[in-house]
Amino acid sequence: DAGVTQSPTHLIKTRGQQVTLRCSPKSGHDTVSWYQQALGQGPQFIFQYYEEEERQRGNFPDRFSGHQFPNYSSELNVNALLLGDSALYLCASSLAGGAALRELFFGEGSRLTVL
Amino acid sequence: AQSVTQPDIHITVSEGASLELRCNYSYGATPYLFWYVQSPGQGLQLLLKYFSGDTLVQGIKGFEAEFKRSQSSFNLRKPSVHWSDAAEYFCAVGARAGGTSYGKLTFGQGTILTVHP
Repeated sequence: DAGVTQSPTHLIKTRGQQVTLRCSPKSGHDTVSWYQQALGQGPQFIFQYYEEEERQRGNFPDRFSGHQFPNYSSELNVNALLLGDSALYLCASSLAGGAALRELFFGEGSRLTVL
Repeated sequence: AQSVTQPDIHITVSEGASLELRCNYSYGATPYLFWYVQSPGQGLQLLLKYFSGDTLVQGIKGFEAEFKRSQSSFNLRKPSVHWSDAAEYFCAVGARAGGTSYGKLTFGQGTILTVHP
């Protein structure tokens, strides 16, 4: 059973460019959340997608956008990259439904370096 | 707004010694609490979680944590540390989101654990 997979694992961009990161959730999961983890910091919530819609959003500018596809996979797009966007971007998947709390499963992340 | 504080940035222990990592949270309702571990260059692995009920929760790899509502704490413990436990540990608080999958997790800044032989 494949877990959460993310691509690419590493990438380097320059300021002002745009980047797309991809995530395939764990089999059977329908909800994808994205987190940004700057060096030496804990992960920070960017947004969550469920039923192809953004369900919740953290305190990130509109340069950060996302998409969820019918097969539940997801993309994170960041436009007009800044040096401060350099971070590990983590994708987490979970299963929605009911009132029960569902466990998050994290991928290994995409390491973005902005020069 | 929810928040998590991990007061210790870096802890060093000897192999075989006991371990306690501190976590304090701020949340306006019943918290959902988690401990995750992250090895260098890796994603996050869930060690244990607290939803309700027994305030002492057992996790993987011999870890346990105790929820103390009066102290707003959820400290992680292990009676005997192994060299393979060296990693970064994150405490997180979660919020339920409208009855569906729970919403965002708010993480602490992490505690780096070094284990000396």
